[in-house]
Amino acid sequence: ERVMTQSPATLSVSPGERATLSCRASESVSNNLAWYQQKPGQAPRLLIYGASTRATGIPARFSGSGSGTEFTLTISSLQSEDFAVYHCQQYNNWPLTFGQGTKVEIK
Amino acid sequence: QVQLQESGPGLVKPWETLSLTCTVSGYSISSDYYWGFIRQPPGKGLEWIGSISHSGITYYNPSLKSRVTISVDATKHQFSLKLTSVTAADAAMYFCARERTIAVAGTSFDYWGHGTLVTVSS
Repeated sequence: ERVMTQSPATLSVSPGERATLSCRASESVSNNLAWYQQKPGQAPRLLIYGASTRATGIPARFSGSGSGTEFTLTISSLQSEDFAVYHCQQYNNWPLTFGQGTKVEIK
Repeated sequence: QVQLQESGPGLVKPWETLSLTCTVSGYSISSDYYWGFIRQPPGKGLEWIGSISHSGITYYNPSLKSRVTISVDATKHQFSLKLTSVTAADAAMYFCARERTIAVAGTSFDYWGHGTLVTVSS
C-alpha cells in the first residue's frame, strides 16, 4: 500500500499570500496524484489530477507539480474561500490511498 | 450535471451490517465509468472503500475486503454498499463518488455525494 504523507498538518497564511502544501508517497506513484479541497460539512472537491492538470472550473491560482514521490500544491494568492482542508490521493496502485490532509487556516 | 445522493440508516448497532445506497442522477450509471465509496471518520482523513463498474466489476480495499460488498442496480440508477460486522471504528461520514476517467478503474473522483454520517452504537 502506498502511504501518503502530507505536510504541514496545519498551515497559517494571510489572505493574498502564497500557500505551498506538500504530499509525499512512500513509493513512486508516477504522476497519478490528485488534490482535493474540502470545506467543513462538505464533500471533497477535485482540484488537480495527473499531478498538475486542473479540473474543470478550478481557478488558475491553484497549481500542482511533482512526480514520483514528491508533490506540491500551490495556491498563488489565497482568497477567503480557499481556507479549507486539502487532501492528496494516489491512484497509481491499489488500494487507492489518501493523505491525512493539510488544513489551511487564516493567519 | 452529475448528482449523487447517499441514503441509509444513520445508526447501526455493533456487529450488524451497514447498508448504504447511492442514487445517481443527471447521468447514466450505465456509462463506462466506475463508481465508488469513500469514508471519513470524524476529524480524520479519507479512506477508499471500493469501486464498481456498471457491469458489476468490483475493486475493494484489502483492509475491508472481507466485510465489504458493493453492488449496482442500473435500472434504479443506484449502487450500494454493505459492510458487515461493524464496530466503532466504522463510524464515519460515507461518501459515494464517480471516478473521473471513463473505462478506467482506480483514478481520481470528480463528482461526489454530500455524504451520510453513520454512527455505530447499541
